[in-house]
Amino acid sequence: AQSVTQLDSHVSVSEGTPVLLRCNYSSSYSPSLFWYVQHPNKGLQLLLKYTSAATLVKGINGFEAEFKKSETSFHLTKPSAHMSDAAEYFCVVSEGHYAGNNRKLIWGLGTSLAVNP
Amino acid sequence: EPEVTQTPSHQVTQMGQEVILRCVPISNHLYFYWYRQILGQKVEFLVSFYNNEISEKSEIFDDQFSVERPDGSNFTLKIRSTKLEDSAMYFCASSESLAGPNEQFFGPGTRLTVL
Repeated sequence: AQSVTQLDSHVSVSEGTPVLLRCNYSSSYSPSLFWYVQHPNKGLQLLLKYTSAATLVKGINGFEAEFKKSETSFHLTKPSAHMSDAAEYFCVVSEGHYAGNNRKLIWGLGTSLAVNP
Repeated sequence: EPEVTQTPSHQVTQMGQEVILRCVPISNHLYFYWYRQILGQKVEFLVSFYNNEISEKSEIFDDQFSVERPDGSNFTLKIRSTKLEDSAMYFCASSESLAGPNEQFFGPGTRLTVL
């Protein structure tokens, strides 16, 4: 069965410092992995995705994530935080299209990122 | 840029009443989904829909729930007799096809409050 664990429920950083949001996953198939962001009163926006191509994935707004199969991790990073990065971040796994019609997304509990001036 | 829209943004209803949550997916997308997020809990998959039928549903999606694509643009979620525990944020999503990566585009959500 698939599952996602986000290791930190809250992360607080200072503006201009690096961001690290941790995620571990469990999947029986070759997974597709995603990070979604949710700003207050807004919908869920895709930040980046891994689908068995390059293991280092670049997303929008300067975010990156690295797929490490040996560690079953997909941590999200950004070199320098901006005030506008304050939001809820979700790590998500899917079995991917190789599993046929099973396209549902399995979500982590979320990490709330606060950016201090 | 095309986007998924949802109406209403907030729905308040009495326990036992029927509610219909509406979604307009991105126009060339073929797969449609509903998820919900109870306050403080994970986003949970409810149902996926393709080719005018349900392709997968979760244990949450019992006989009180139904989905429909009534007119080729709207995608609705109906809850026949709401319970207090149905209070949640409901997200609609759509994706393009089987051929590509499983990227789902989400609407802004409908907050359902059952009193």
